[in-house]
Amino acid sequence: DTGVSQNPRHKITKRGQNVTFRCDPISEHNRLYWYRQTLGQGPEFLTYFQNEAQLEKSRLLSDRFSAERPKGSFSTLEIQRTEQGDSAMYLCASSLGGQDEQYFGPGTRLTVT
Amino acid sequence: GQQLNQSPQSMFIQEGEDVSMNCTSSSIFNTWLWYKQDPGEGPVLLIALYKAGELTSNGRLTAQFGITRKDSFLNISASIPSDVGIYFCAGQLIWAGKSTFGDGTTLTVKP
Repeated sequence: DTGVSQNPRHKITKRGQNVTFRCDPISEHNRLYWYRQTLGQGPEFLTYFQNEAQLEKSRLLSDRFSAERPKGSFSTLEIQRTEQGDSAMYLCASSLGGQDEQYFGPGTRLTVT
Repeated sequence: GQQLNQSPQSMFIQEGEDVSMNCTSSSIFNTWLWYKQDPGEGPVLLIALYKAGELTSNGRLTAQFGITRKDSFLNISASIPSDVGIYFCAGQLIWAGKSTFGDGTTLTVKP
């Protein structure tokens, strides 16, 4: 399978803990995106990378959130000091270029207790 | 920021019926995308539209890019039970990397 993969698929954590998610994009795709989705809503943009450069961050991405794509391949999204309001599905997508279709991974569902 | 209004919010139809849903925006987009999402999974791309007025089909699905560039429509013909899911529209601007999503139309198909 050469689609976008995300790990873990599910994460349960206690409030105040740090969590890290990984995304592996489609191999030749230069762009990688992170979105967050809560129940009953569409995905909301968080940030995106062109190769290893982080080009845009949403205001939704508080200072507790950080994303990296160190070698322009996989990416990690870390949430520090998690809060219950961070509970959501975190989706990763990749595209060949800026004007191309974005293909999504299966998501990581985070539950903060 | 830009917002997409998707309607209807939900639909309950009989197997074999045709379905129409639409998406409107307060501002223009250069690209319109339609996705389907099953519970617990990521959205799956169905159709991409790049030009105003464009009409594109993918099997029983047909989507149109509105002439004003502020709306798009998705039609599903002869619905089947596996069409059940949430359908999202998304708009993209050439200069912006992100997609802006609607809140989805939930489709239920009764056999």
